[in-house]
Amino acid sequence: SAVISQKPSRDICQRGTSLTIQCQVDSQVTMMFWYRQQPGQSLTLIATANQGSEATYESGFVIDKFPISRPNLTFSTLTVSNLSPEDSSIYLCSVGRIGQSEQYFGPGTRLTVT
Amino acid sequence: KQEVTQIPAALSVPEGENLVLNCSFTDSAIYNLQWFRQDPGKGLTSLLLIQSSQREQTSGRLNASLDKSSGRSTLYIAASQPGDSATYLCARTSYDKVIFGPGTSLSVIP
Repeated sequence: SAVISQKPSRDICQRGTSLTIQCQVDSQVTMMFWYRQQPGQSLTLIATANQGSEATYESGFVIDKFPISRPNLTFSTLTVSNLSPEDSSIYLCSVGRIGQSEQYFGPGTRLTVT
Repeated sequence: KQEVTQIPAALSVPEGENLVLNCSFTDSAIYNLQWFRQDPGKGLTSLLLIQSSQREQTSGRLNASLDKSSGRSTLYIAASQPGDSATYLCARTSYDKVIFGPGTSLSVIP
């Protein structure tokens, strides 16, 4: 298993600002992912955070809006830039290991943009 | 396109009832099927993982089955309790990709 923490757990931000979310895992993992869950919706994958290289973004998500860092095998950050009310969502990170089929999710960060 | 669907979208039952949540997927080359629980405004809690070679998994009052030939999985909750009220998500998972269903919102009435 993997224990995942996220900071902050929630935040209220003003339009036009940015928020950086941290994801910390208690052990080394192969894969780290970032998801968005808009109100009343299921989860949508934003990108795969690659250690030591640029993240791989899903269709509809771009690096300028969602820059991601992954400096090592246990830590990643997601920044949501130039915030608008439409960015109000829960953002979750998850992790996986090659050879294991289960994914583990962090507790999420609830973002409200005013 | 790989898709995961869930029915019903919402379910309300009296306490003590047994219930079944349904999940369907279009990709017959399924990897694994994972059931999650999400409380309002919270993250995900993994309930059960059924690997592609398995047919079911059980944990306490929960039992999940997987039928790859029909592209279906079910989550059975026995003797439901108000604390079971949450959204239940099924997902097709591998270590490098997860595709979620839209979820079933369950309300257990005391």
